[in-house]
Amino acid sequence: ETGVTQTPRHLVMGMTNKKSLKCEQHLGHNAMYWYKQSAKKPLELMFVYSLEERVENNSVPSRFSPECPNSSHLFLHLHTLQPEDSALYLCASSQGVRGWTEAFFGQGTRLTVV
Amino acid sequence: AQKITQTQPGMFVQEKEAVTLDCTYDTSDQSYGLFWYKQPSSGEMIFLIYQGSYDEQNATEGRYSLNFQKARKSANLVISASQLGDSAMYFCAMFYSGNTPLVFGKGTRLSVIA
Repeated sequence: ETGVTQTPRHLVMGMTNKKSLKCEQHLGHNAMYWYKQSAKKPLELMFVYSLEERVENNSVPSRFSPECPNSSHLFLHLHTLQPEDSALYLCASSQGVRGWTEAFFGQGTRLTVV
Repeated sequence: AQKITQTQPGMFVQEKEAVTLDCTYDTSDQSYGLFWYKQPSSGEMIFLIYQGSYDEQNATEGRYSLNFQKARKSANLVISASQLGDSAMYFCAMFYSGNTPLVFGKGTRLSVIA
């Protein structure tokens, strides 16, 4: 079983739909993250959770709503998205938010908003 | 502002040859960490190598080595004996104290030619 698992791998949704992305980590880490990867742009950090508390929200529009029910699971709830929100959404986890350890990433969810 | 610059959008290398992927960074912090990640077409970000700002020796991990030149603020990735499976996007990232983890560069697409 891989360390960080994201589902679904691909998602196509209309602008009026509501969907959720799921991330699960089996590494015993206490910090989890959502990143957005758009074409030709650097990875953008969206949200950071440490011990299930949100510690970072990088000016993300309210149509993205994260949820971290426990240290192993992270969700990204999506509603009324725009076509420019189409991107690869990557989940990551690490041991600590500001420790000197690498982040482990999931394979991402390829989101297309039509 | 802290940032990472990868000036090579794409690189080609012959199989079994060595290749250097450039990365420069900008920070006024004394404590920071530098990471390289590989992203194959599957989307997953795979950690390759880490260099701490106080590490005196260049990091090495198998065929990967990091050419760390602190005064020039560069952290180039060297891949020796390239393999076809090395074809992927490569991202340089930085962690700096007192801020959120992992600021990423725009990436370099490496293509290994048989």
